[in-house]
Amino acid sequence: EIVLTQSPDFQSVTPKEKVTITCRASQSIGSSLHWYQQKPDQSPKLLIKYASQSISGVPSRFSGSGSGTDFTLTINSLEAEDAATYYCHQSSSLPFTFGQGTRLEIK
Amino acid sequence: EVQLVESGGGLVQPGGSLRLSCAASGFTFSSYWMSWVRQAPGKGLEWVANIKQDGSEKYYVDSVKGRFTISRDNAKNSLYLQMNSLRAEDTAVYYCARVPFLTHIDYWGQGTLVTVSS
Repeated sequence: EIVLTQSPDFQSVTPKEKVTITCRASQSIGSSLHWYQQKPDQSPKLLIKYASQSISGVPSRFSGSGSGTDFTLTINSLEAEDAATYYCHQSSSLPFTFGQGTRLEIK
Repeated sequence: EVQLVESGGGLVQPGGSLRLSCAASGFTFSSYWMSWVRQAPGKGLEWVANIKQDGSEKYYVDSVKGRFTISRDNAKNSLYLQMNSLRAEDTAVYYCARVPFLTHIDYWGQGTLVTVSS
């Protein structure tokens, strides 16, 4: 099973700040890494697919990068509505696995 | 508009059974892999099971193998999860999810809560 480790677990940030969340895989997964946002009491929402591909309707301040074992989700110019928990997910091999999540708090 | 609507959750005793359903609409259901993903209260996401478009391939996380069965009825645009021998650790919100080409999850349902407790 591929283990995904996110960092940090929690971050408190101010609006307009740039935020970087990392996801490290226990073995190479190519670009089969996807990012989701989950706001309190809501279902997760797809933000980025295949490490860096944007999703229609997702604000352009969200971007992804990386390949192999190291991946990054970047949020440029953070907005109050970005308060949420962010998860990475690998589909390179079964069982699918998720990172433990990174909770963003807006100061 | 793609919609996934789960039902069937509730309170069940340890060792009991429950069947979850997911009604899909707004897309050609028979063309997609589908999954169940769960989230224990206050915890992260855990993938549970996948099923191929025609039901010929099914995959499960180890912790539910032999206890849970994923199935689908393409004529009814419905996905199911039969859960037997339920344990306290199965307590979670269960999400129905659409998985194009067995990769990312592009649509999620609103979830249904399963509570296993005596």
